[in-house]
Amino acid sequence: GAGVSQSPRYKVAKRGQDVALRCDPISGHVSLFWYQQALGQGPEFLTYFQNEAQLDKSGLPSDRFFAERPEGSVSTLKIQRTQQEDSAVYLCASSLGVSSGNTIYFGEGSWLTVV
Amino acid sequence: GIQVEQSPPDLILQEGANSTLRCNFSDSVNNLQWFHQNPWGQLINLFYIPSGTKQNGRLSATTVATERYSLLYISSSQTTDSGVYFCAGDTGGFKTIFGAGTRLFVKA
Repeated sequence: GAGVSQSPRYKVAKRGQDVALRCDPISGHVSLFWYQQALGQGPEFLTYFQNEAQLDKSGLPSDRFFAERPEGSVSTLKIQRTQQEDSAVYLCASSLGVSSGNTIYFGEGSWLTVV
Repeated sequence: GIQVEQSPPDLILQEGANSTLRCNFSDSVNNLQWFHQNPWGQLINLFYIPSGTKQNGRLSATTVATERYSLLYISSSQTTDSGVYFCAGDTGGFKTIFGAGTRLFVKA
């Protein structure tokens, strides 16, 4: 596609509910990143995929967070038993190569509110 | 991990004014980048600038890697420049660390 696409754009979840956030990276992009952005703060790294391999998941805040990219393209970030502190914008980004020097392209984000 | 400090945290400009945004790193970083986040949340890469100076229209950036800082210059600001400006870098690998941002509002 022309850009990184994320869905849903907005999600309201009841506390305890599971949510799944989808990311369609730019076609052919090898690298895929997930970030969490709380209100008024900068994005915080969650996890990184190179094709289907999850090479870094050090930023996932708890074992309730799980990400996958089974075929090396579309990725899903799943949050189980959501809590209010999970409310944030979840940003997906992709880049063409495997070098960290490649330009990163961000999606518009999935805005999650847990009530 | 590295700390990224951005200044000023907030900035209000009259349209047409110039400004300088600063980013300091606590340690040496690789792959320093500047991003603009528009009021709708979209993050756009402005510059990939691990060192030296680059210019793109009214925007330019300079990174002095040996002194661990980078500057973003905005000249002749326009209302469309409003939003949040982030700098980001990594210390190797793919874990890019972002600063807290500079929130810019340009008044017409």
